[in-house]
Amino acid sequence: DAGVTQSPTHLIKTRGQQVTLRCSPKSGHDTVSWYQQALGQGPQFIFQYYEEEERQRGNFPDRFSGHQFPNYSSELNVNALLLGDSALYLCASSLTSPFYEQYFGPGTRLTVT
Amino acid sequence: QQPVQSPQAVILREGEDAVINCSSSKALYSVHWYRQKHGEAPVFLMILLKGGEQKGHEKISASFNEKKQQSSLYLTASQLSYSGTYFCGTYSRDNDMRFGAGTRLTVKP
Repeated sequence: DAGVTQSPTHLIKTRGQQVTLRCSPKSGHDTVSWYQQALGQGPQFIFQYYEEEERQRGNFPDRFSGHQFPNYSSELNVNALLLGDSALYLCASSLTSPFYEQYFGPGTRLTVT
Repeated sequence: QQPVQSPQAVILREGEDAVINCSSSKALYSVHWYRQKHGEAPVFLMILLKGGEQKGHEKISASFNEKKQQSSLYLTASQLSYSGTYFCGTYSRDNDMRFGAGTRLTVKP
């Protein structure tokens, strides 16, 4: 059983550019959450998708947007990149409920220069 | 609001025990514990649910005080492989997961 997968593994972008990160959830999971993790800090919640809709959103600007597809995979888009967007972006999948554990993917390391 | 973890860091010798605490100002549905090793994704350890149910690794134990919105993770007879940063994540009525800043655990031979 494949776990959560993310692509790409690493990415280098220039300030002002746009980026798309991808996530495939663990088999059987219908909910995908995205997190930003800066070095030495805990993951910060960006948003969560369920049934192709954004169900909850953290304290992130509209430059961060996402999408969930019918097969439950998801994309995270970030527009007008800033230097401060450099971080590890983690995707986690779960069943839809606060009573189920989340499984994290390996992350995408984004560097903005 | 982020949960508060303590201590920020702890150093153990193999075989010693440790307790990591997590507290929230919100009424919680569940508390999740994860361990993250350097350069890797967080790995699920334990989930504690409102009402007393818990699921997780058999070698790790934890508690959840619903009245105080506090949880503790108990690491007994620590092994070198226990080293890493431990995060608690809390799920409240806002329906999103909030993670603490982490507790860095180092186990030495």
